Amino acid sequence: DVKVTQSSRYLVKRTGEKVFLECVQDMDHENMFWYRQDPGLGLRLIYFSYDVKMKEKGDIPEGYSVSREKKERFSLILESASTNQTSMYLCASSYTPGNTIYFGEGSWLTVV
Amino acid sequence: AQTVTQSQPEMSVQEAETVTLSCTYDTSESDYYLFWYKQPPSRQMILVIRQEAYKQQNATENRFSVNFQKAAKSFSLKISDSQLGDAAMYFCAYRSTVYNQFYFGTGTSLTVIP
Repeated sequence: DVKVTQSSRYLVKRTGEKVFLECVQDMDHENMFWYRQDPGLGLRLIYFSYDVKMKEKGDIPEGYSVSREKKERFSLILESASTNQTSMYLCASSYTPGNTIYFGEGSWLTVV
Repeated sequence: AQTVTQSQPEMSVQEAETVTLSCTYDTSESDYYLFWYKQPPSRQMILVIRQEAYKQQNATENRFSVNFQKAAKSFSLKISDSQLGDAAMYFCAYRSTVYNQFYFGTGTSLTVIP
């Protein structure tokens, strides 16, 4: 079975802190994604990566950056956390177009 | 960008009954993929069913089936013989074969009444 692992399920951070959310997949997928999930807004794409060191902005990249140094790992970085970044963050991965996207369990981030 | 619309924020169904969740999408592409994902309260998002746009036959997976109307850009999910374990948030998703992205709807929260 495909496994997408997000290192932290629940985090509480202070405003202005730098936050790292880590994601690892074990299926050699080319594509990895970071989504943000908020009630009534569904899943919104923050960034995605289709190869090592490659990244593309999604719909809401402001305030976020990403890093993909190895194929299996995709990190989401909040350079200076703000309260409006309190949300559930979902990491996902897939093969090239047409294939199913597999999700991690999600990371609940609260910024106080 | 493609858009995916789920017009039913909440739905409920009696156990053992049938329920249909609606999804429409907007695209100018002719080839694409459509998905329904389920997110139970535990939050792990899992695939329910997948449809390739070039296939006219509607996909089915046990009690789950879709009604894919390509011209109408409609992709509804039918759950037959509903079970308590079907209670979850359901997301409709579109994947382009050109752009390497998935687009999700806002979700439908399904309650199953015993």
